[in-house]
Amino acid sequence: EAGVTQFPSHSVIEKGQTVTLRCDPISGHDNLYWYRRVMGKEIKFLLHFVKESKQDESGMPNNRFLAERTGGTYSTLKVQPAELEDSGVYFCASSSSSNQPQHFGDGTRLSIL
Amino acid sequence: AQSVTQLGSHVSVSEGALVLLRCNYSSSVPPYLFWYVQYPNQGLQLLLKYTSAATLVKGINGFEAEFKKSETSFHLTKPSAHMSDAAEYFCAVRRDGNEKLTFGTGTRLTIIP
Repeated sequence: EAGVTQFPSHSVIEKGQTVTLRCDPISGHDNLYWYRRVMGKEIKFLLHFVKESKQDESGMPNNRFLAERTGGTYSTLKVQPAELEDSGVYFCASSSSSNQPQHFGDGTRLSIL
Repeated sequence: AQSVTQLGSHVSVSEGALVLLRCNYSSSVPPYLFWYVQYPNQGLQLLLKYTSAATLVKGINGFEAEFKKSETSFHLTKPSAHMSDAAEYFCAVRRDGNEKLTFGTGTRLTIIP
């Protein structure tokens, strides 16, 4: 069984540019989560999808961040325009149901110059 | 809001020695508790989880954790450290009815040959 896949593994862009991160959850997992770890800080929740619906987006930092999950399969997280403080590692996780553990991808390391 | 505290951002132990990584949570009711591990250049991997079935939880790679309600603790232990245990370890909590994980700041474990 393939795990959670994230693309790209690394992204380096300049301030003001746009970046889109992609997450492919484990096949059949309805729950998809995005987290972020800024350097030196804890891993923080961004949002949670159930299928294509946003269940909880309380952790989204601001309106420069847009997450989508059209069709309830893979998800994208777009940052537009990127700011310096957006640098960090973005993790995606998925689970089959609410009482099952979340399985994480390897993360996307985003660097804003 | 619930939180997780991991005492010691860096822990070093000799190969073969006891590993003890500390985690305390703040919650009015016993939550779901997790330990995740991140090996270099990899994503988060679930080590073990507490879901109220038993206070002593056994995980992968010889790790275990004991839930102590009186101390609001969920410390991670391993009797004998191995070089391959070098990684960063994260304690996380989830409240019933809320999907998002709240993480501690992580503890980087170094094994001394």
